[in-house]
Amino acid sequence: QKEVEQDPGPLSVPEGAIVSLNCTYSNSAFQYFMWYRQYSRKGPELLMYTYSSGNKEDGRFTAQVDKSSKYISLFIRDSQPSDSATYLCAMSAGNQFYFGTGTSLTVIP
Amino acid sequence: GAVVSQHPSRVICKSGTSVKIECRSLDFQATTMFWYRQFPKQSLMLMATSNEGSKATYEQGVEKDKFLINHASLTLSTLTVTSAHPEDSSFYICSARRPGWDTEAFFGQGTRLTVV
Repeated sequence: QKEVEQDPGPLSVPEGAIVSLNCTYSNSAFQYFMWYRQYSRKGPELLMYTYSSGNKEDGRFTAQVDKSSKYISLFIRDSQPSDSATYLCAMSAGNQFYFGTGTSLTVIP
Repeated sequence: GAVVSQHPSRVICKSGTSVKIECRSLDFQATTMFWYRQFPKQSLMLMATSNEGSKATYEQGVEKDKFLINHASLTLSTLTVTSAHPEDSSFYICSARRPGWDTEAFFGQGTRLTVV
């Protein structure tokens, strides 16, 4: 079983839609949960991170962590064509990060 | 702006030659840097952890003699792909973490290596 599972998509939505991206994990030791955005042929950039369970909001982005279910989500409101990218979830326990496979998102104008 | 700079962004080399990729942390000292490999539509695969002043720690299945890592200073780590073959063609990404920060890893721009 992989440490982190993420549906690779692709996911295609119309502009303005609410996007929900999700990851599940198996290691209960994970404490930090992150979402990265990666444009084609670029390195990942950190979007948001949360510690332990709960919600965190930053503009149009909301990250949710449910440790009891080992499930994390990233919501994008009012999606824009510029949000088209691959979104990777990542988790860490100690020094090592574990990444999901990434979900490819296309927002259609 | 970028806090981790990776160079070159693209390189094409002939089979059998060696290629060096540089990763620099620009505004903090990174005692540890990480090298990843990413195949199309796949996640980042950790290859090795680069430790300043000591030998790198390689993940299982990664050939240390093929992927030479040197972390000679607190701001520079290099990955050298030796005797490159077409199957080494991939996207290589480095990352560094600020000392004391558990949550944030800064990534370089990545290097697209094509071996012909």
